[in-house]
Amino acid sequence: QSALTQPASVSGSPGQSITISCTGTSSDVGGYNSVSWYQHRPGKVPKLMIYDVSGRPSGVSNRFSGSKSGNTASLTISGLQAEDEATYYCSSYTSSSTRVFGGGTELTVL
Amino acid sequence: EVQLVESGGGLVKPGGSLRLSCEASGFTFNSYTMNWVRQAPGKGLEWVSSISSSGDYIYYADSVKGRFTISRDNAHNSLFLQLNGLRADDSAVYYCARDAYGSYSFDSWGQGTLVTVSS
Repeated sequence: QSALTQPASVSGSPGQSITISCTGTSSDVGGYNSVSWYQHRPGKVPKLMIYDVSGRPSGVSNRFSGSKSGNTASLTISGLQAEDEATYYCSSYTSSSTRVFGGGTELTVL
Repeated sequence: EVQLVESGGGLVKPGGSLRLSCEASGFTFNSYTMNWVRQAPGKGLEWVSSISSSGDYIYYADSVKGRFTISRDNAHNSLFLQLNGLRADDSAVYYCARDAYGSYSFDSWGQGTLVTVSS
């Protein structure tokens, strides 16, 4: 159950687009369309932003989008806003019927 | 409105035990898989355990297998996590999280309960 690999940090200016990658294996990310993404602000509860690779829950801005290619999933945030500053985590279902998170990526809006 | 309220956290000595509870409301509890997810201080999220809607299917992270036990009481809309053999690295905020229906994503989270393991 090794954690999925995410970059520790990314940054961007308001209005720009950024992409966060999430790399796993064929036993998790690559094997299932069950990757989800979470936004976690300090002192707040994690919030589901993307489910099942590219699904967007009701109420989540369409500036957030997800995709997957092979063993790597990606979260893209377009039109970056100051309120997007947070730590983002990916998660995947695994072949052992367990779940695994990525290490988290801290997004800084410059 | 979906609500998940955890309780039962606290300070415990290494080797000790705790029982965490999560009271659910605002949805049909017995229709959803439920999970425990934790976050150690300064660390990322870590999935701990899941239990199917009926309680028939239970899974654990390797880091807690054999020490933690997840259970649920559908009659009382409650989820539990029994923590035994606690270690310092089990210190974390423990969140109760609901699976989205038909998806392996966590669509609702409680506020969390803090477990501190220290002598």
